[in-house]
Amino acid sequence: GENVEQHPSTLSVQEGDSAVIKCTYSDSASNYFPWYKQELGKRPQLIIDIRSNVGEKKDQRIAVTLNKTAKHFSLHITETQPEDSAVYFCAATPGGSYIPTFGRGTSLIVHP
Amino acid sequence: SQTIHQWPATLVQPVGSPLSLECTVEGTSNPNLYWYRQAAGRGLQLLFYSVGIGQISSEVPQNLSASRPQDRQFILSSKKLLLSDSGFYLCAWSAADEQYFGPGTRLTVT
Repeated sequence: GENVEQHPSTLSVQEGDSAVIKCTYSDSASNYFPWYKQELGKRPQLIIDIRSNVGEKKDQRIAVTLNKTAKHFSLHITETQPEDSAVYFCAATPGGSYIPTFGRGTSLIVHP
Repeated sequence: SQTIHQWPATLVQPVGSPLSLECTVEGTSNPNLYWYRQAAGRGLQLLFYSVGIGQISSEVPQNLSASRPQDRQFILSSKKLLLSDSGFYLCAWSAADEQYFGPGTRLTVT
């Protein structure tokens, strides 16, 4: 089955800095890669996703890149703000499957 | 638009008591439905998923069970709770790739 590794487990940055979270996956059949943001005590929220036919996708201050050859994808947050503080999860879903495999999460702390 | 509901929001139950958590989805037909558990400070553990009424797949053997009596209703149950069942229980739905989570039920087993 699919295996997703996510790094780092904790990331501490100053407000205004950029943050990068990286994930690797093992199943070359995976073709859908979502990212979720989970604030303390709340549900995970889908914030951006990318499919295997695209190398990069951007939405305001967040972007995701995908390298299919290397089987890794990354979340980039620019100009971080304190409200970006949360746990971020990556996931990979093989084509034809309904089951995403999640990474273990990254706790992002943005210091004002 | 689609909406997913879970109840109760919080629950405190003694060890050995039964459990029933309910999840309903509005605004879509024949969704895929999922139950996840999240222990404090941990990741998302898939417990069950369902692709249709009466069709349940279990990912982790344990004292929990799931049922889907209606197209947009998913129920998580236990006959006897263990201390280790404490956690944040999340229902989710998907129509294709994108998966959306419900607000969750925080269960504390005492």
